[in-house]
Amino acid sequence: GAVVSQHPSRVICKSGTSVKIECRSLDFQATTMFWYRQFPKQSLMLMATSNEGSKATYEQGVEKDKFLINHASLTLSTLTVTSAHPEDSSFYICSARKTGRNEQYFGPGTRLTVT
Amino acid sequence: QKEVEQDPGPLSVPEGAIVSLNCTYSNSAFQYFMWYRQYSRKGPELLMYTYSSGNKEDGRFTAQVDKSSKYISLFIRDSQPSDSATYLCAMSQNYGGSQGNLIFGKGTKLSVKP
Repeated sequence: GAVVSQHPSRVICKSGTSVKIECRSLDFQATTMFWYRQFPKQSLMLMATSNEGSKATYEQGVEKDKFLINHASLTLSTLTVTSAHPEDSSFYICSARKTGRNEQYFGPGTRLTVT
Repeated sequence: QKEVEQDPGPLSVPEGAIVSLNCTYSNSAFQYFMWYRQYSRKGPELLMYTYSSGNKEDGRFTAQVDKSSKYISLFIRDSQPSDSATYLCAMSQNYGGSQGNLIFGKGTKLSVKP
């Protein structure tokens, strides 16, 4: 199997607060995990690539100080949205790539609403 | 020109129809091709994975890759209402590193009417 979980599935927070989203590969090890954002009726937008034990690589236009990524183990990566604002409201999806493979397995997503 | 082009649809078909979904790409270095299915408000689910040119069949799904034309297809036979979802193609050059990262199409929204 290749199961990826995300927690929480849904979060509502107030503007200015920080939110942490966890992504876990449950039955395989993932050297690399990815974080995507998806706006309604739009495709996936890659935000950053997270490698276990090293700094994340951010896509152009994504603020690394705002979206903090930590990949401390082969099964867990976290995304922290710092000082969230309403424009950060979106569907955040993580994926994990099995070590030595290139297909990605996605988590169920986290819907973030900032009020 | 975008690296991966995919018609966003929407595509509406009657139950039982054969569905054809397609993507074109510009980077001849792509070797690995995938199709994902995404239901509304869910993460994408890997459906098919193929390497280089050729066909691959899995149940009602057939994936085709024509590298000479830079064209990939996903066929769904005997389509069911439960197939209603957005289908994303994805491709990469290699394993590992940035060349292993997937480039996604924008997705085609499919609706199968009972």
